[in-house]
Amino acid sequence: EIVLTQSPGTLSLSPGERATLSCRASQSVSSSYLAWYQQKPGQAPRLLIYGASSRATGIPDRFSGSGSGTDFTLTISRLEPEDFAVYYCQQYGSSFGQGTKVEIK
Amino acid sequence: QVQLVQSGAEVKKPGASVKVSCKASGYTFTGYYMHWVRQAPGQGLEWMGWINPNSGGTNYAQKFQGRVTMTRDTSISTAYMELSRLRSDDTAVYYCARDSTVRGAIGYWGQGTLVTVSS
Repeated sequence: EIVLTQSPGTLSLSPGERATLSCRASQSVSSSYLAWYQQKPGQAPRLLIYGASSRATGIPDRFSGSGSGTDFTLTISRLEPEDFAVYYCQQYGSSFGQGTKVEIK
Repeated sequence: QVQLVQSGAEVKKPGASVKVSCKASGYTFTGYYMHWVRQAPGQGLEWMGWINPNSGGTNYAQKFQGRVTMTRDTSISTAYMELSRLRSDDTAVYYCARDSTVRGAIGYWGQGTLVTVSS
């Protein structure tokens, strides 16, 4: 079973700054099968990115995904106040990473 | 619009079983896989498995093999997740979640069902 490790655990940034989140897999993952989700307190997660780099419907273009093999990245180009949340990567139909919390500095 | 409506909160004793339901509407129930994901208080997301509502085929995470059973009733567009031999660390919010138009990427979530395991 592939294990996904996300880093850092917490990212402290200010609105307007760039956020770079990492997701590393214990074995190679097909890029077609990697997704990113955002979760805010008290809410269900929301799909942001599928296929490693495709934005889901309605997701702003400040969110972008990249990577292949064992290393994947979610980038938020300029943080908006509503972007402070926890982010998870997931291989389709399998385990999630442990999450990265993006908090206001 | 797609809606997934789950059954209400449950309190169970250790060793008991719990069965959570998820009623789907707004789409063809048999057209999309349904996943179950849980989240313990203050913790991350944990994928439990999926069911293909069309065939009834299932795929469970290794951790839950032998303890979880996912079923469906296509006549009422409802999926079920039963977890047996409950322990205190099974206390969590349990979500049903449907594939998006991309199979495997979860696009829709139920509201969650809190299952509390306590003696």
